[in-house]
Amino acid sequence: DAGVIQSPRHEVTEMGQEVTLRCKPISGHNSLFWYRQTMMRGLELLIYFNNNVPIDDSGMPEDRFSAKMPNASFSTLKIQPSEPRDSAVYFCASSPDWGEQFFGPGTRLTVL
Amino acid sequence: ILNVEQSPQSLHVQEGDSTNFTCSFPSSNFYALHWYRWETAKSPEALFVMTLNGDEKKKGRISATLNTKEGYSYLYIKGSQPEDSATYLCAFRYTGGFKTIFGAGTRLFVKA
Repeated sequence: DAGVIQSPRHEVTEMGQEVTLRCKPISGHNSLFWYRQTMMRGLELLIYFNNNVPIDDSGMPEDRFSAKMPNASFSTLKIQPSEPRDSAVYFCASSPDWGEQFFGPGTRLTVL
Repeated sequence: ILNVEQSPQSLHVQEGDSTNFTCSFPSSNFYALHWYRWETAKSPEALFVMTLNGDEKKKGRISATLNTKEGYSYLYIKGSQPEDSATYLCAFRYTGGFKTIFGAGTRLFVKA
């Protein structure tokens, strides 16, 4: 089992550019979570899906952020336009039903 | 506003010391309490999922207890080793939305 796969692992972009982060959950897991880790705020839940349906996106900071899960094996988190304050590590996690979550390796985003 | 508090924020111990830290969470609408271990530059890894008041879980030298009525959980490490150095996160999951709220973590440093 490859675990949760995230890509890219590192992303450096310029302010104003569109950024797309990708996640492949563990096969068979029906819940998927996107988190952001910053020094100031720790680990924040941005959005989560259950059976590909967004359940709660109240953690999404602004309209510049959007997430999709077109099928059970793929999700994207998009930031458009990106800003320097979006720089953080973004984690994707999946879980079977509502059990323990398995985290991906994270994407380190730097917006210059 | 639901809040999950962890204490202490950080802890420095000598190899061989036993240690414990606390996670406090709302005592209402409880669904589950998770403990994760997060090493630097890695992803959080699940240690325990606890669902019942009075639950006690054990994995090697690490154990955890749960009191849902008063809203706290303790994590114990017996005979700390340098490889135990990590951030220990607790996460509270509540009914009605199944959202997970993470504490800020306890950063453990074990000196050889």
